[in-house]
Amino acid sequence: AQSVAQPEDQVNVAEGNPLTVKCTYSVSGNPYLFWYVQYPNRGLQFLLKYITGDNLVKGSYGFEAEFNKSQTSFHLKKPSALVSDSALYFCAVRDDSGTYKYIFGTGTRLKVLA
Amino acid sequence: DAGITQSPRHKVTETGTPVTLRCHQTENHRYMYWYRQDPGHGLRLIHYSYGVKDTDKGEVSDGYSVSRSKTEDFLLTLESATSSQTSVYFCAISEALNTGELFFGEGSRLTVL
Repeated sequence: AQSVAQPEDQVNVAEGNPLTVKCTYSVSGNPYLFWYVQYPNRGLQFLLKYITGDNLVKGSYGFEAEFNKSQTSFHLKKPSALVSDSALYFCAVRDDSGTYKYIFGTGTRLKVLA
Repeated sequence: DAGITQSPRHKVTETGTPVTLRCHQTENHRYMYWYRQDPGHGLRLIHYSYGVKDTDKGEVSDGYSVSRSKTEDFLLTLESATSSQTSVYFCAISEALNTGELFFGEGSRLTVL
């Protein structure tokens, strides 16, 4: 069965510092991996995805994510955090076995401190 | 932004009453999903559809049913609402299964008293 783990409920980082939000996954086949961001009282917005190819994926708003197959991880990163990056971040996974299900993690709240 | 409209956006109802949430899309996407969001649980899949009249269960489908009679509409029904179904419900759509990300609606906040 597919699953996603986000081990940190909250991550605090100072503005201007690099940030990392962690995600590990489990699938039976090749993974399709996604990151989403949610601002208060809004729906989720797509940030980036890994389907195949380069392990470093670049996305919206300066975010990037590193796919590591051996560690089954897909951590979200940004070189320099902004206060406006403060939000709830979700990792999601789907496998390539022909299922239609996208499974989400429990979310990590990112707080960027001025 | 993807053309996804959820209705109603807010609803308060009483235990035991039926409730239907509607998701309407203007993107002609094949795949549609209903999730619920609860603190500590993230997003959990309730039901999904891979075409008109083609639906299947997600991980938390008990107490919910769905219908999709046309491409643009995906209805989520709580036959007899319970307090445990108080949640924020999100509809999502996707075009291409192999490469497509999900696009989300703005959510429907349901309170069951």
